[in-house]
Amino acid sequence: DQQVKQNSPSLSVQEGRISILNCDYTNSMFDYFLWYKKYPAEGPTFLISISSIKDKNEDGRFTVFLNKSAKHLSLHIVPSQPGDSAVYFCAAGAGTGRRALTFGSGTRLQVQP
Amino acid sequence: DAGVIQSPRHEVTEMGQEVTLRCKPISGHDYLFWYRQTMMRGLELLIYFNNNVPIDDSGMPEDRFSAKMPNASFSTLKIQPSEPRDSAVYFCASRSPGLAGTGELFFGEGSRLTVL
Repeated sequence: DQQVKQNSPSLSVQEGRISILNCDYTNSMFDYFLWYKKYPAEGPTFLISISSIKDKNEDGRFTVFLNKSAKHLSLHIVPSQPGDSAVYFCAAGAGTGRRALTFGSGTRLQVQP
Repeated sequence: DAGVIQSPRHEVTEMGQEVTLRCKPISGHDYLFWYRQTMMRGLELLIYFNNNVPIDDSGMPEDRFSAKMPNASFSTLKIQPSEPRDSAVYFCASRSPGLAGTGELFFGEGSRLTVL
């Protein structure tokens, strides 16, 4: 049973438009969430995170929204750029960080010029 | 500062052979994780260590998989005997003590394993 789910395997958007990537989780013990970005033949790299005490965190073009009641988070990229084309993984963790992160299956984003 | 270093980057082997993947974490990081990426399951945790001690190996698929961390700067993931279904990209990641609260991991570039 997957505790972190990314139900959209792929997403295609036009350059300059908004990209919205979604993630759902089932474990109510998760209290921090992260997004990672992965280019082909490279390891995932950290993008942005949010604690469960917040409902929004913004970093430049990237904003993560958390809806705890729905157990749902989303990553917004505005405006989208061709260089954003990558696989995005949602991840969740519980406790003080002593445990490992649980990752979703990833969403491949393609930004069309 | 060097990142997480994994070797080999690519490994092609035949079913039944032993495979050893290696990882050097970032100096000073006290957690080390092994993840496997597949199309079906995404990134799944295999095992992780804290201060060289295995904490949770419940993600290791079978007894064919084993992992060790003999010191703070080196870890291995061994598959013996290997099977075609083990074909995947294996990632090693480490975490700084200062980032324990955020859970942020630093990944290596991965080892792509193909078992024929």
